[in-house]
Amino acid sequence: AQKITQTQPGMFVQEKEAVTLDCTYDTSDPSYGLFWYKQPSSGEMIFLIYQGSYDQQNATEGRYSLNFQKARKSANLVISASQLGDSAMYFCAMRGVNTNAGKSTFGDGTTLTVKP
Amino acid sequence: DAGVTQSPTHLIKTRGQHVTLRCSPISGHKSVSWYQQVLGQGPQFIFQYYEKEERGRGNFPDRFSARQFPNYSSELNVNALLLGDSALYLCASSLQSFYEQYFGPGTRLTVT
Repeated sequence: AQKITQTQPGMFVQEKEAVTLDCTYDTSDPSYGLFWYKQPSSGEMIFLIYQGSYDQQNATEGRYSLNFQKARKSANLVISASQLGDSAMYFCAMRGVNTNAGKSTFGDGTTLTVKP
Repeated sequence: DAGVTQSPTHLIKTRGQHVTLRCSPISGHKSVSWYQQVLGQGPQFIFQYYEKEERGRGNFPDRFSARQFPNYSSELNVNALLLGDSALYLCASSLQSFYEQYFGPGTRLTVT
């Protein structure tokens, strides 16, 4: 079984500052992928960043970086230089290679509010 | 390139009715997964189809069914609707099973 835990229901950050959204996971799969998605109020899930369990380096995509600590089973999302448009719900998700690879397991999300 | 499309965008049904939701994946994507997202929660996996075969099923009752067509589009069917089926239904496509999933805008279903 796979489980994702996001312990921050809501976060506030000042515009132009950095923010870290926490994610811990649990899985018995030896090989897995970790994903972050952004969901604005419109409802669409927007893919942000991916980290493979065997990747040696932390993933980065523009202002997004993933702080992957395998031993701690954590995959925190760091957003640098926050913008007002970053205000949204953020979901951490994972998929395992050996379990159903087409199934993503999601956490309950963190609502991020960027203050001007 | 067109992204994942879903229809309809909104739907209102009454208890006991049947509903069909449709999804067209990104061109070239062969895997389609369906998710149910209840307000305030993360999406829950319902089905995955790859190359027109069911590859996975989540913990949903038999009232939920799906299929994938030769052009890789997909339908999700829900029979005997309950109030608890009210949710945002998301479709996601990917090249193969273990690639990034790209989500459509969702269908918001309200059951009254």
